[in-house]
Amino acid sequence: AQSVTQLGSHVSVSEGALVLLRCNYSSSVPPYLFWYVQYPNQGLQLLLKYTTGATLVKGINGFEAEFKKSETSFHLPKPSAHMSDAAEYFCAVSPYNQGGKLIFGQGTELSVKP
Amino acid sequence: KAGVTQTPRYLIKTRGQQVTLSCSPISGHRSVSWYQQTPGQGLQFLFEYFSETQRNKGNFPGRFSGRQFSNSRSEMNVSTLELGDSALYLCASSPSGHTDTQYFGPGTRLTVL
Repeated sequence: AQSVTQLGSHVSVSEGALVLLRCNYSSSVPPYLFWYVQYPNQGLQLLLKYTTGATLVKGINGFEAEFKKSETSFHLPKPSAHMSDAAEYFCAVSPYNQGGKLIFGQGTELSVKP
Repeated sequence: KAGVTQTPRYLIKTRGQQVTLSCSPISGHRSVSWYQQTPGQGLQFLFEYFSETQRNKGNFPGRFSGRQFSNSRSEMNVSTLELGDSALYLCASSPSGHTDTQYFGPGTRLTVL
């Protein structure tokens, strides 16, 4: 069965510092990969997604992610954190040929200190 | 376009009762998926409906059921509520599922006492 692992349930950085949110997936075939963000008391908002093609994916709010098949990773780095980035981030995989089903990682809560 | 709407936003029920949650997808979207979010288990897939048919199902007991209407609106029902059913229930819609972006509603917060 496919799965997603996010390393670190809590990450705390200072404003302006580099942020790296980690995601590894297990899949026998290259899956479709997503990063979602959830602000308190809200639903999930798509940050970016990888389907096929270019392995560097740009998303909203200055986020980028790189799909690395050899490492089965889809990490989310951001060079400079803003206070507004404080939220919970979820990595998800859409299993091949399973319609609209998403399998989510456990989430990483990002705190940004002034 | 209006986003995904879910009603009600908050619900309090007691054990043994049943509950129905509603989800209205973005206009033109035919796929609706439901997820349960809890602090312990995270986000778990419940089921997906496409064109009024259940296309995928997660690993939840039969107390959890759903349906989709011809206008793509969806409902999920939980019967014989248990304390462990307390959660945020999220629905998401997309044009056809698969690699489409899923757009999430704000969720329904269910508390079972």
